[in-house]
Formats: sequence, structure tokens, C-alpha cells
Amino acid sequence: QSVLTQPPSVSGAPGQRVTISCTGSSSNIGAGYDVHWYQQLPGTAPKLLIYGNSNRPSGVPDRFSGSKSGTSASLAITGLQAEDEADYYCQSYDSSLSEGVFGGGTKLTVL
Amino acid sequence: EVQLVESGGGLIQPGGSLRLSCAASGFTVSSNYMSWVRQAPGKGLEWVSVIYSGGSTYYADSVKGRFTISRDNSKNTLYLQMNSLRAEDTAVYYCARRKSTRDAFDIWGQGTMVTVSS
Repeated sequence: QSVLTQPPSVSGAPGQRVTISCTGSSSNIGAGYDVHWYQQLPGTAPKLLIYGNSNRPSGVPDRFSGSKSGTSASLAITGLQAEDEADYYCQSYDSSLSEGVFGGGTKLTVL
Repeated sequence: EVQLVESGGGLIQPGGSLRLSCAASGFTVSSNYMSWVRQAPGKGLEWVSVIYSGGSTYYADSVKGRFTISRDNSKNTLYLQMNSLRAEDTAVYYCARRKSTRDAFDIWGQGTMVTVSS
């Protein structure tokens, strides 16, 4: 059972918009700690996709965006492309554990 | 180029020991918060251990007392000594860099597979 809760899977057709939710609690996201998102393509290491709730590292397309409200955060992907098919993980800091915690991951399927 | 390269994984019997290495280039390991994160087959990411820039170390409850994180500043390399290995330790082990415990893991290694099996 992960500290942060994500839907196991989402799907969308090419060109569509999908969102992935990440629900936490008052000891992590709700406490104001930043949420970060990672993309893991099949057979590869995770890659930082969004940091500090809504910031994109250099090289990440602006089709990817992040937001946070209350005890939840969301990752939105617009103009869905076949190469976006991957696992996506959210991550934040948890004050009760005094360390970073991950969501269980969401598998994105591009139909 | 900023990168992390892990090595040392392999097949080991339950109860055995293994040491993983993570060689950094393009930045200084001792100036960052360096972590090990693992991923069991078909599962999600699990934080394992961290060494702060100041040298303090912390562990997930699942590995406390069995794993030891360390670094060699002269080699700019991070290590994970794993003792009393169990089947449930089977995973790909990644090293990753953060600036602080609240920051994102911005650099990841390619991972090294550890399989604990008789």
C-alpha cells in the first residue's frame, strides 16, 4: 500500500488529453510539500518529468503539465502521442516518515 | 555529462551479501543527497536509503539493520552494502540524486538487477 494513491491505469487515443491523479494526506501533499512526477518508459530508469508541482525540466515538452490542490496533485498530458505510453509516478515528502514517498504508479496506454 | 552508473548486481542466495556501486560523473556526490531506490519486478518504486551531504544516513524499515549506504569522496562513488539478503529484496536498484529530502530525484542511474534466489 503506497502512501500516495494513483489510479493503476489510464488510457487515451492519440491527440487526446489525459490526467493522472495523485492523492495524499495531511502529512505529505496536504502539508504543502511539493509533488514531483516521473516517467518510466518500458525497460528504462525513471526520468524526472515535473518538479515542484508544475515545473518542467529542460527538454520536457509543454504537453506535460502538473498541478496541486489540497491533498491531491494531477499530471495532465495533452496531444497524446504513442511514445507517451509509459508508467508515471508521483512523489512527495512525508513528514511522518521524514523521507520521500512514491505513488504506486499509473500505466498509461495510448489506444 | 551528468550521469550515474550502477554496478554490482547479480544472482545471490538468500542470506548472502552483495555490494552495489554507483559512479557519478559531472557532479560531486558528497555535495548532494544521494539515495538508493528499488523496484521489484512488476512493482512500483520504493525508497531504500539516503546519505545526506553532511554524512547522515537513513534507511527504510524494510532494510534497516541489513543494508548500509556509504560513499567514497575520492572516487565520487556511492555504495550500498546489502547483507542477510531475502527473496523480497529482489529488485532493480537505482541510485538517484536530490538536492534535499524535499526535492525531486533529478538524476537517475540505469539500474542494476539483484536477484535473491536459491
